[in-house]
Amino acid sequence: GNSVTQMEGPVTLSEEAFLTINCTYTATGYPSLFWYVQYPGEGLQLLLKATKADDKGSNKGFEATYRKETTSFHLEKGSVQVSDSAVYFCALSAGTYKYIFGTGTRLKVLA
Amino acid sequence: DAGVIQSPRHEVTEMGQEVTLRCKPISGHDYLFWYRQTMMRGLELLIYFNNNVPIDDSGMPEDRFSAKMPNASFSTLKIQPSEPRDSAVYFCASSREGGLAKNIQYFGAGTRLSVL
Repeated sequence: GNSVTQMEGPVTLSEEAFLTINCTYTATGYPSLFWYVQYPGEGLQLLLKATKADDKGSNKGFEATYRKETTSFHLEKGSVQVSDSAVYFCALSAGTYKYIFGTGTRLKVLA
Repeated sequence: DAGVIQSPRHEVTEMGQEVTLRCKPISGHDYLFWYRQTMMRGLELLIYFNNNVPIDDSGMPEDRFSAKMPNASFSTLKIQPSEPRDSAVYFCASSREGGLAKNIQYFGAGTRLSVL
């Protein structure tokens, strides 16, 4: 079946450090891939998405590239800020409008 | 647009009581999803609807849980009777079938349920 695997958290970084959160997936066909972010006390909100191989999604300095050959969609940011502290979820949608979410990775950025 | 609106934001109840959570999806959206989030189990999809019809309820934990969508602008998730292990944050999300925002789920702020 379809699944998403994310790196375990928490990830703790200093401000301006480089961020990578790994995400790999298993799916039949050609899924759409998403990163969602959840700030404390809020619902999830879309950060970025990619719908086909080699697409790069980007938003607010975050980027992720849809790599079909490695079935990955790693999230990166060149310089994190304290305000990026949140939980990040990788998700896929394959053939239906239902998402399969990863377990989430908590990011803590220290000033 | 006001976004997905959930009520109440917080609910505290006693074991055995009936609990009803409410959701108003974004106008024009065709899909509605109910999720439960806990520290132990993460984010779980409970049920989702397409054009007010339940499509997949395989995530509903047991018969104590039921969900309805009587019209395109309102859905409820009911727990009867409630148990302490139902304590969680419940999210509603909606999405549309077509257009630029196709298949992007928009989440409400959630209802934090505590069953004592």
